Amino acid sequence: EDKVVQSPLSLVVHEGDTVTLNCSYEVTNFRSLLWYKQEKKAPTFLFMLTSSGIEKKSGRLSSILDKKELFSILNITATQTGDSAVYLCAVEEGGSSNTGKLIFGQGTTLQVKP
Amino acid sequence: GAGVSQSPRYKVAKRGQDVALRCDPISGHVSLFWYQQALGQGPEFLTYFQNEAQLDKSGLPSDRFFAERPEGSVSTLKIQRTQQEDSAVYLCASSPWTSGPFKNIQYFGAGTRLSVL
Repeated sequence: EDKVVQSPLSLVVHEGDTVTLNCSYEVTNFRSLLWYKQEKKAPTFLFMLTSSGIEKKSGRLSSILDKKELFSILNITATQTGDSAVYLCAVEEGGSSNTGKLIFGQGTTLQVKP
Repeated sequence: GAGVSQSPRYKVAKRGQDVALRCDPISGHVSLFWYQQALGQGPEFLTYFQNEAQLDKSGLPSDRFFAERPEGSVSTLKIQRTQQEDSAVYLCASSPWTSGPFKNIQYFGAGTRLSVL
C-alpha cells in the first residue's frame, strides 16, 4: 500500500531557530513530491520536487529530494512566528489512472514561539 | 476568481441528514479534486474530475458519497444520510493542466468543516 510518513509529528522552537522536517515515502509509481503549508485555511503550495539532489529554495525555505533513499526534507532557517503551521508532504502517484491524485502524509505541526 | 472558493465554511448536520458542499475552482482550471481531512491527519483523496468527466472516484468511502461537476466548472460533493464518522474538513483543489509536469500543482480551497451530531 502506498504511504507517506512525516516526522516529527509536532515541533516547538523559538524564533531564529532552524528546523528540518522529514518526509519518507513508499509509492509504487512515484512522479513527484510536493510540500504544502497549511494554516487555518487553504493549504498553500511551497515546492514540487521531481529530481534527486536538486535543492529548491524560496527565501528561508528550502527542500531536497532523495529518490534512492525515498525521502525529502524541508528546511526553514531563521524561523519566525508566521512560520507556525502544519506542513504537509504529498506524493503524486503516477499509476495507470494518471489523475495526479496526491497521497499525503499526516503533517508536521510547527509552533514557533517569540 | 482569485482562488478556489468553497461553501459553506462550516456545516453542522444531524445524523441522517443529507448535505451538499460546493466548490468553485479557479476560472479555467480543468482538473478538480476532492479530499477529506480528518482531525490531525493529512488529506485523503476522494475523487477527481477532468472538466465534467469524473475519471476517478476510487477514494469515495461509501455509496452515500456522490460528486458531480455537470458543466465542468462548479462541483458539488453530496453526502447522504450523514454519519458521525463523516465529520471532517472537505477540501477542494483545482489545477489548470491535464498533462505535463505541472499537472500536480493543486491549488486548494479553505475547506468545509462538517460536523455530524
